[in-house]
Amino acid sequence: EDQVTQSPEALRLQEGESSSLNCSYTVSGLRGLFWYRQDPGKGPEFLFTLYSAGEEKEKERLKATLTKKESFLHITAPKPEDSATYLCAVQAQVILTERGYQKVTFGTGTKLQVIP
Amino acid sequence: EADIYQTPRYLVIGTGKKITLECSQTMGHDKMYWYQQDPGMELHLIHYSYGVNSTEKGDLSSESTVSRIRTEHFPLTLESARPSHTSQYLCASSGRETQYFGPGTRLLVL
Repeated sequence: EDQVTQSPEALRLQEGESSSLNCSYTVSGLRGLFWYRQDPGKGPEFLFTLYSAGEEKEKERLKATLTKKESFLHITAPKPEDSATYLCAVQAQVILTERGYQKVTFGTGTKLQVIP
Repeated sequence: EADIYQTPRYLVIGTGKKITLECSQTMGHDKMYWYQQDPGMELHLIHYSYGVNSTEKGDLSSESTVSRIRTEHFPLTLESARPSHTSQYLCASSGRETQYFGPGTRLLVL
């Protein structure tokens, strides 16, 4: 069964203090790994899709990397507006599940707080 | 601008009432999804659709029903709301792998 584990559960940073969030995954062949940002009471906002080990993507202060077992979301010089919960999800490289869809498994997220 | 919309954003309703949560997308995506999310918990898929007239139940058992009569519209209906249905409901759509989410509907059943 596909599994996604995110760590830490919560992270408190000073403004400008760079850090990384971890997403460890177990999947029977990776089709895609997704990072989302979710603000309280809102839907997840898409950040990145990574497809293969060694791939990297950047957007402003965020950089996502992928290995065969985990992904990191690096936050460089964060600002208070980066405070949110960051979700990781994986989709397996299977044709179809018994119910006919390519399942996406989500982690429980890392809640990031950036203090001015 | 292509987007995905959900209404209402917040709903407080009494037990036994019938409710419909609306979801529309203007991205031309064939696949659409409904997820349920409780605070601090992961998203659980309750319904999905691969296209018009195609709907299936997801992994999480739900008493809700869905319909897909038009590509852009994927409403979710609860025939008789109960307090156990209190949650956040998220609608998403995808073209290929990446799912894009709406703003969510926060439902409180008294």
